[in-house]
Amino acid sequence: DAGVTQSPTHLIKTRGQQVTLRCSPKSGHDTVSWYQQALGQGPQFIFQYYEEEERQRGNFPDRFSGHQFPNYSSELNVNALLLGDSALYLCASSTTHYGYTFGSGTRLTVV
Amino acid sequence: QQQVKQSPQSLIVQKGGISIINCAYENTAFDYFPWYQQFPGKGPALLIAIRPDVSEKKEGRFTISFNKSAKQFSLHIMDSQPGDSATYFCAASRGEGGFKTIFGAGTRLFVKA
Repeated sequence: DAGVTQSPTHLIKTRGQQVTLRCSPKSGHDTVSWYQQALGQGPQFIFQYYEEEERQRGNFPDRFSGHQFPNYSSELNVNALLLGDSALYLCASSTTHYGYTFGSGTRLTVV
Repeated sequence: QQQVKQSPQSLIVQKGGISIINCAYENTAFDYFPWYQQFPGKGPALLIAIRPDVSEKKEGRFTISFNKSAKQFSLHIMDSQPGDSATYFCAASRGEGGFKTIFGAGTRLFVKA
């Protein structure tokens, strides 16, 4: 049984560009949450998707947007990339708030 | 009110010793308190979790102690092993209002052989 799958694993982008990260949740999970983890820091909540709608959002600007598809997979889009957007982006899936299953993340480097 | 404060930032323990990591929260609406373990290059993995109606939960060498009145909880790792060397995150979440989980800043544990 595959867990949470994220792609790509690593990505290098230039300031001002746009990026799309992808996540396939664990089988049976219908909720996808996205987190940003800066080096040496805890994961910071970006937003959560359920039934193809954004259910909750953290303190991130509108440059961060997402989408959930009917098969529960999800995308995270970041526009107008800044150097400070360099981080590990984690996708977590769940059916409730009682414990997430995380993917291994996408390491984004903005140069 | 949404913060979870974690200490210490780093911890060095001898093999066989007890590792203790502490967390404090403010929002009494939180109703689920998990601990995650993260190895380099990997995403966090759920280790053990507790709900506020229980004061202690033990799974193998890992124990959570929960003090509802003080709004604090801690992770104890008994008989610490070099393989336990990782970063540990406490977290808190609530079902009502959207199921958001808030993470502490993490504790880097190193167990010396």
